Amino acid sequence: DAMVIQNPRYQVTQFGKPVTLSCSQTLNHNVMYWYQQKSSQAPKLLFHYYDKDFNNEADTPDNFQSRRPNTSFCFLDIRSPGLGDAAMYLCATSRGQGSGADTQYFGPGTRLTVL
Amino acid sequence: ELKVEQNPLFLSMQEGKNYTIYCNYSTTSDRLYWYRQDPGKSLESLFVLLSNGAVKQEGRLMASLDTKARLSTLHITAAVHDLSATYFCAGAKAGNNRKLIWGLGTSLAVNP
Repeated sequence: DAMVIQNPRYQVTQFGKPVTLSCSQTLNHNVMYWYQQKSSQAPKLLFHYYDKDFNNEADTPDNFQSRRPNTSFCFLDIRSPGLGDAAMYLCATSRGQGSGADTQYFGPGTRLTVL
Repeated sequence: ELKVEQNPLFLSMQEGKNYTIYCNYSTTSDRLYWYRQDPGKSLESLFVLLSNGAVKQEGRLMASLDTKARLSTLHITAAVHDLSATYFCAGAKAGNNRKLIWGLGTSLAVNP
């Protein structure tokens, strides 16, 4: 089945220790998104790629970076995690072209704990 | 700027009852999405509504869109415990379908 995969599902890191979260997709979608979701809140878009074009949200801290080496993979790098970065990180994809619905399909998420 | 408001934010209902979740949005939105999220899990797409008067149904859930009133509804018929989850609506900014503007979510608890 075509899907969005995130690894790891759970990540524990220490304050200030860099961490990388991974997302891969078999949907062959053009657009990949990274969201941060804290408990009882709506998802917050950090950035997205349309193919190779990177689109950063204005309020995304510089501490968060992303890479998309190819269509299938996208990475979220947190350079110096703080306690406030503990959250669920969700990767999503969408077709990104053509008329009609552009539904975003979400991966299972990575729950990040910062000690 | 597009803003999306859901109400209620919390809903506790008995099994077998009907209820409606409302999603209001502030300006033109090209489309309206409904997602479900189980506790500790990711988001699952339920419906996408593209045009005025659109109605979609899946099982006990039915979503509709009134673009003139800038209102979408998610109607729950004869609720069952398995429907307990958080439901989010999200609008797509006109001309920028890639960015979704999310409501705060409605936490639904269906009790026996």
